[in-house]
Amino acid sequence: DAKTTQPPSMDCAEGRAANLPCNHSTISGNEYVYWYRQIHSQGPQYIIHGLKNNETNEMASLIITEDRKSSTLILPHATLRDTAVYYCIVRGDGATNKLIFGTGTLLAVQP
Amino acid sequence: NAGVMQNPRHLVRRRGQEARLRCSPVKGHSHVYWYRQLPEEGLKFMVYLQKENIIDESGMPKERFSAEFPKEGPSILRIQQVVRGDSAAYFCASSFTSLSAGTEAFFGQGTRLTVV
Repeated sequence: DAKTTQPPSMDCAEGRAANLPCNHSTISGNEYVYWYRQIHSQGPQYIIHGLKNNETNEMASLIITEDRKSSTLILPHATLRDTAVYYCIVRGDGATNKLIFGTGTLLAVQP
Repeated sequence: NAGVMQNPRHLVRRRGQEARLRCSPVKGHSHVYWYRQLPEEGLKFMVYLQKENIIDESGMPKERFSAEFPKEGPSILRIQQVVRGDSAAYFCASSFTSLSAGTEAFFGQGTRLTVV
């Protein structure tokens, strides 16, 4: 089960890009990187996931390094509503395939 | 286009009563996961079920907690003889296939259980 390391908190100015880093140096070849966020006490919201290639959707972009040991989630134009705890998860733990949440990064978007 | 539906959203129980939390997965999803979030703490995995089967219950307390996902109907998380320490937000997630296939899991808005 690959572990992830994220900074506990980050600030970002409204309208600017938010770049959230994640280290997962023990990731194995068939493990996906998932990003979720939790706004206040709401249910976690799926953002994006990827295996090797960079991914983009309407919410964000995911940049995975070539060696797959780290990744960056990019919110291109952060708004106040993007203030949340962001979780980087490497899907693992063998055959049971559950998502293990760490402590995440609290992103505070400042006006 | 209903997502994961959990009910009730808020549940108050007295110590010693039973709590039943329901989770209706996204239509067509046959994999369900339950998580618990204690106040000011992170999300902790409890149990993973696939229709009629418990696949992984490694996060379930040994006593008083049980989960099911019958062939028809919602998944149920049942807590017997609740205690104050059971007060938490309980989240359910569902996925179409197992996560090893690279699919995503979607979460409901949770049930907030308060034991008085």
